[in-house]
Amino acid sequence: AQSVAQPEDQVNVAEGNPLTVKCTYSVSGNPYLFWYVQYPNRGLQFLLKYITGDNLVKGSYGFEAEFNKSQTSFHLKKPSALVSDSALYFCAVRDMGGGSYIPTFGRGTSLIVHP
Amino acid sequence: DAGVTQSPTHLIKTRGQQVTLRCSPKSGHDTVSWYQQALGQGPQFIFQYYEEEERQRGNFPDRFSGHQFPNYSSELNVNALLLGDSALYLCASSLNPSGQPQHFGDGTRLSIL
Repeated sequence: AQSVAQPEDQVNVAEGNPLTVKCTYSVSGNPYLFWYVQYPNRGLQFLLKYITGDNLVKGSYGFEAEFNKSQTSFHLKKPSALVSDSALYFCAVRDMGGGSYIPTFGRGTSLIVHP
Repeated sequence: DAGVTQSPTHLIKTRGQQVTLRCSPKSGHDTVSWYQQALGQGPQFIFQYYEEEERQRGNFPDRFSGHQFPNYSSELNVNALLLGDSALYLCASSLNPSGQPQHFGDGTRLSIL
């Protein structure tokens, strides 16, 4: 079975400060990890993914994520937050060793960037 | 290049009715997946269609059914609507069943009265 946890319902950060949105996962095999962003009344937009290779993955809009196998984490980061980054962020995982191609999504973390 | 399009954007139904939601995948994509996103939750997988057949299914009752057409577009049908079916229904397309990342449409907001 595969699962993902986003321990924070909401993250507040001041504009210009670094931000981190946390994600931990559980899979039987190797993980295929994703981050998506959702703006109000919109669908999910892909930010970045990790399959193998460098543990630091760079994505869209200046976001990056750090894969940590020992801690089974895949935290989303950005060096300097923008007010326009305020949105709902979803982490997702797919077990590369499983028979299903379908990722499991977390419950989401609301990011609020204050001016 | 058109992305994933869904119709209608909003829909209001009453308990016991039936509803059909529609999705056109991104150009070049042949696989469509449907998700239900309840308020305050992440997307929950309903089923995936490829080559006009249901390939995988999540933990949803038989009231939820679907179809894929030769042009790869898809429909989601829900019978005997319950209040708990109120949610945002998202369609996602991909190059093939294992293709990642999936590309999502903006969803259909279904409200059950």
